[in-house]
Amino acid sequence: GQNIDQPTEMTATEGAIVQINCTYQTSGFNGLFWYQQHAGEAPTFLSYNVLDGLEEKGRFSSFLSRSKGYSYLLLKELQMKDSASYLCAVVDSNYQLIWGAGTKLIIKP
Amino acid sequence: GAVVSQHPSRVICKSGTSVKIECRSLDFQATTMFWYRQFPKQSLMLMATSNEGSKATYEQGVEKDKFLINHASLTLSTLTVTSAHPEDSSFYICSARDPGTEYQPQHFGDGTRLSIL
Repeated sequence: GQNIDQPTEMTATEGAIVQINCTYQTSGFNGLFWYQQHAGEAPTFLSYNVLDGLEEKGRFSSFLSRSKGYSYLLLKELQMKDSASYLCAVVDSNYQLIWGAGTKLIIKP
Repeated sequence: GAVVSQHPSRVICKSGTSVKIECRSLDFQATTMFWYRQFPKQSLMLMATSNEGSKATYEQGVEKDKFLINHASLTLSTLTVTSAHPEDSSFYICSARDPGTEYQPQHFGDGTRLSIL
């Protein structure tokens, strides 16, 4: 079966750095997305990785290791507005998007 | 960036009513749109894939006669919840794949919060 694992919840302090991990086992791989979803709102696109390595975009970076079936989202200089759920999603061999359950990130002052 | 508009944002209605939700891609043509449902504190659940000019593909366990999907144009897909009941109350979100971007991310509408009394 297809499976994506993320921690259910994480807590971090304003101004700090947090890493949200995602491991996956899917039938094929055609890329991995990270989305941010604030409570009561729809998800918004953050990043896409298809090759191994780190993609940096401002305070957010996303890393991929295809051989390990592993990705992480790194958030730097955390702000209170970063409190949200972060969803990992993998594109499988049929180009279907397989969603993780999301990681709820709580930022404390 | 790509914009997807979803309407209405909130619906409150009586049990037995049918509710139509519209999803529009505003600045790109979307041959494929997706309909999700999300219950409180749970992850997104894909209900169906809407294909322009053809029948929608429903996920296992989703009743196609209950959730009618129409994708009549390249910029509009509609989801009709027929004879809605309280258990259909949920957050419904549509998304569209942007063909203009190399990896075609899904862009989401703002969602529709459906409450059936």
